[in-house]
Amino acid sequence: DAKTTQPPSMDCAEGRAANLPCNHSTISGNEYVYWYRQIHSQGPQYIIHGLKNNETNEMASLIITEDRKSSTLILPHATLRDTAVYYCIVRGVGGAQKLVFGQGTRLTINP
Amino acid sequence: EAQVTQNPRYLITVTGKKLTVTCSQNMNHEYMSWYRQDPGLGLRQIYYSMNVEVTDKGDVPEGYKVSRKEKRNFPLILESPSPNQTSLYFCASSGWSGTYEQYFGPGTRLTVT
Repeated sequence: DAKTTQPPSMDCAEGRAANLPCNHSTISGNEYVYWYRQIHSQGPQYIIHGLKNNETNEMASLIITEDRKSSTLILPHATLRDTAVYYCIVRGVGGAQKLVFGQGTRLTINP
Repeated sequence: EAQVTQNPRYLITVTGKKLTVTCSQNMNHEYMSWYRQDPGLGLRQIYYSMNVEVTDKGDVPEGYKVSRKEKRNFPLILESPSPNQTSLYFCASSGWSGTYEQYFGPGTRLTVT
């Protein structure tokens, strides 16, 4: 699975959009971009995933660049409960389905 | 409610005393997995199971055993725990269709003295 690079920490004001970047320059054609988050020491929670098109669900939007070498997770109206570590993971679909977690981005939402 | 449950949530034990951490899911998922999380090392996979009676090693299997006799259950067994197994453990499950989203349990914080 391709390696990802994320900033170690970010801050965002409550009510504003939080934009979390991720670089995955070695991604291959059949690999998806997944985002998970971990609030404090709870179990990681799936947020969204995509292959090459932009995706949106009730939690967030995922913007993937045309060359697929980077992506941005957008939380449109961040709340204090969005404070968490966010993990960008690149993996193929199927098979052993192992998730390789990096260090992630620690997002702090400030009141 | 779709969920993965783990028991116990917290456990303090002594070196060498066998223990089992249970994991159960109610989503009829084929795939189940165990991870451990340590400061500075992130989450690492211990063992996984593709289906009943099918298990395989992950990245850090030493000192652990698993079994998958039923689809819903995937217990993690520490035959002779050691202090370096002090960690936060997560069980996860997913199906073979849709988003392949993995659902994680709430975690088990294990301390081995």
